[in-house]
Amino acid sequence: NAGVTQTPKFRILKIGQSMTLQCTQDMNHNYMYWYRQDPGMGLKLIYYSVGAGITDKGEVPNGYNVSRSTTEDFPLRLELAAPSQTSVYFCASSYPRSGSPYGYTFGSGTRLTVV
Amino acid sequence: QQQVKQSPQSLIVQKGGIPIINCAYENTAFDYFPWYQQFPGKGPALLIAIRPDVSEKKEGRFTISFNKSAKQFSLHIMDSQPGDSATYFCAASKETSGSRLTFGEGTQLTVNP
Repeated sequence: NAGVTQTPKFRILKIGQSMTLQCTQDMNHNYMYWYRQDPGMGLKLIYYSVGAGITDKGEVPNGYNVSRSTTEDFPLRLELAAPSQTSVYFCASSYPRSGSPYGYTFGSGTRLTVV
Repeated sequence: QQQVKQSPQSLIVQKGGIPIINCAYENTAFDYFPWYQQFPGKGPALLIAIRPDVSEKKEGRFTISFNKSAKQFSLHIMDSQPGDSATYFCAASKETSGSRLTFGEGTQLTVNP
């Protein structure tokens, strides 16, 4: 099925541990994004990419890193997990076209708890 | 900082009612205003979107009203159903920003039978 696939769905980390959240899309979308969702806070942009080899910081990038070696994959890396990183993480992709409405396709999310 | 303010935070209506969710934005350069619907355990999904050259857009039971001068837009759900119970996010972006969406805080809607 076409779409955005995120793994894992759930994860518990201990403070100071590292992990990579995986995201892959098969729609040949050039734009990809990582958001975190906290209750009552909406979705905050962590990092985004406009194409392979190009990444940029969003609103809340501290504590995270990304890479984009292929069009399909956009992994998010947490190097030293902190309790403040407990959240639900969503990956999304889009294919903006000038003059036409465009939307994001979101994955189903990764629920991360740091204890 | 670009912001989108959404209200109310939660909303409870009876089946058949017309819930209204409001959003206000600051950046006059925004040129795309979508609404996303999110069910528990799922990612948000695009529901309906509007550009500032029109004041209203309707798709089925969902309508966006847009007031450019007031920098506000709202979502109306006609004849609401229990299956509409979800969290709704408004968002905004400008094309030159690489389509990055700025989201509102979300509204948790409950439609009682």
